[in-house]
Amino acid sequence: DAKTTQPNSMESNEEEPVHLPCNHSTISGTDYIHWYRQLPSQGPEYVIHGLTSNVNNRMASLAIAEDRKSSTLILHRATLRDAAVYYCIPRGLRANNLFFGTGTRLTVIP
Amino acid sequence: GAVVSQHPSRVICKSGTSVKIECRSLDFQATTMFWYRQFPKQSLMLMATSNEGSKATYEQGVEKDKFLINHASLTLSTLTVTSAHPEDSSFYICSARGSKSRYGEQFFGPGTRLTVL
Repeated sequence: DAKTTQPNSMESNEEEPVHLPCNHSTISGTDYIHWYRQLPSQGPEYVIHGLTSNVNNRMASLAIAEDRKSSTLILHRATLRDAAVYYCIPRGLRANNLFFGTGTRLTVIP
Repeated sequence: GAVVSQHPSRVICKSGTSVKIECRSLDFQATTMFWYRQFPKQSLMLMATSNEGSKATYEQGVEKDKFLINHASLTLSTLTVTSAHPEDSSFYICSARGSKSRYGEQFFGPGTRLTVL
């Protein structure tokens, strides 16, 4: 499994954009980049994933570097409900497991 | 999305007793289910993977005789913590992958907080 590096914590003001970085320099060519988040005292939830191109969905956008060694999860307008730990997980599409690193704890300031 | 439930959400038991936790996929068929454990201020650690109708595959260091996993149907998996001890106190989370996983994503339950006295 590719190793990931994420900041331990980040802060954002409410209604401002947030860019959550992830380095995955050992990612293999077939690994997708998945992002999950875990709200306090809850199970994780899927946020977004991508392979090479930037991706958008109703929750977030994912910007993937051209060399795929890093990616950035973008929350366009942070709300208090976005306060969570965000995990970046490179993973093969057919791989069975998800291995969670330490993630980034996002604090949203009202 | 797809919904996964867990029951109970919280359980307190005495040392030496066994506790069963249920994980259900409510609106899809889960061909594979996963059990994770999370200690305070730590990340999730995968305990085991189970495919419907097969024996679970345990991660290194997880005692299969202590953490019994049954995945008898496409919508239900159970984790039984046998002879629980205080060090087993943790947040247990299941996830499921199946008919609604277009990209192999897992759908997680809300977790069960186990406290062993």
